[in-house]
Amino acid sequence: QVQLQESGPGPVKPSETLSLNCTVSGFAISSGYYWGWIRQRPGKGLEWIGSVYYSGSTHYSPSLKSRVTTSIDTSKNQFSLKLKSVTAADTAVYYCARGGSWYGDARFDYWGQGTLVTVSS
Amino acid sequence: NFMLTQPHSVSESPGKTVTISCTRSSGSIASNYVQWYQQRPGSSPIIVIYEDTQRPSGVPDRFSGSIDSSSNSASLTISGLKTEDEADYYCQSSDTITRVFGGGTKLTVL
Repeated sequence: QVQLQESGPGPVKPSETLSLNCTVSGFAISSGYYWGWIRQRPGKGLEWIGSVYYSGSTHYSPSLKSRVTTSIDTSKNQFSLKLKSVTAADTAVYYCARGGSWYGDARFDYWGQGTLVTVSS
Repeated sequence: NFMLTQPHSVSESPGKTVTISCTRSSGSIASNYVQWYQQRPGSSPIIVIYEDTQRPSGVPDRFSGSIDSSSNSASLTISGLKTEDEADYYCQSSDTITRVFGGGTKLTVL
């Protein structure tokens, strides 16, 4: 069974960089697939942030592209998210999820439990 | 970029059938697959339909998906409603480089 678990350092101050890791178990990310980040602001809907392929290629939401970096570490079976220059509007539950096996396959079939990141001074 | 528009809320009685729509603002709904996710309060989303009409294993056949090119929309239909179906439902699709989620529909089963 594929399982994903988000982890991060906790609250973030405005203007700083939000950093999260997603550890995958039950599946070797070097085997393929896209790996994505999705967030959900309090009381709001789902918002795709970006995805990274097992080879390292990336795709980002146009609205966040200037602030987002995703990367993958196959040796640790992890992938990561960095969002710089955060504001209170970036306060959200951040989910990691497995994407499709090729870019035309846009499904997210396995999700982490989500982690709440609060941006506050 | 494009948007996916869903009704904010729908409600129906147990045992009945409900349909949730998802309209694509630009580009053809048929050009990229549509997925549907169920999210219960306090839980992560789970996929209930992928590739427009396909059900993952473990999802009851009460859930079905379709697309309609004439209205440029996709639909999720849930038949034989149960109280456990009460949740938020999100459609999702893509274009060449992005993934887009609809705004979500709150389903109330009363």
